[in-house]
Amino acid sequence: AQSVTQLGSHVSVSEGALVLLRCNYSSSVPPYLFWYVQYPNQGLQLLLKYTSAATLVKGINGFEAEFKKSETSFHLTKPSAHMSDAAEYFCAVSVGTGNQFYFGTGTSLTVIP
Amino acid sequence: DTAVSQTPKYLVTQMGNDKSIKCEQNLGHDTMYWYKQDSKKFLKIMFSYNNKELIINETVPNRFSPKSPDKAHLNLHINSLELGDSAVYFCASTNERYTEAFFGQGTRLTVV
Repeated sequence: AQSVTQLGSHVSVSEGALVLLRCNYSSSVPPYLFWYVQYPNQGLQLLLKYTSAATLVKGINGFEAEFKKSETSFHLTKPSAHMSDAAEYFCAVSVGTGNQFYFGTGTSLTVIP
Repeated sequence: DTAVSQTPKYLVTQMGNDKSIKCEQNLGHDTMYWYKQDSKKFLKIMFSYNNKELIINETVPNRFSPKSPDKAHLNLHINSLELGDSAVYFCASTNERYTEAFFGQGTRLTVV
């Protein structure tokens, strides 16, 4: 069975500070991993994805994530937070079969000026 | 061109009514989904269709009925709407290797 755990439903950072959003997964087979961002009143937009190529994945808007199999983690980072980064972030896992993406419960990021 | 489009974006209706939400994707994907996002932002899968066939049907009241007239469309019909149905409903589609899911902009359903 597959699942995703996002630690911290709310994260606040100061503008210019490091952003770290945590995601741990559980999967019986090598997973595909994703981070999506949801701005207020909008749909989900793909930030980045890991599909068994390079373990350090770079995405849009300066975000990146590192797949660590030993820690079953796929944490999202950005060196310097911008006010426009304030949004809801979702980690998701798929295993290439089973027709389903499993989403975490989301982390709301607040950026303090 | 919008990859996954849903209509309407907002829907306000009274309890007991029947309503439909439409979804279309122009990505050539075979698999489409409906997700429900509650007030706490939790995304729960409701249905999955692969090439017009129902694949996943999670524990959803049978007042909810998906219909896929072709693989580019997946509509959601809801009968006898209840207050608890108020949520944002997202349509999504994925490629055959499930390496990416594209989402529509969502339909905010408010039942009064």
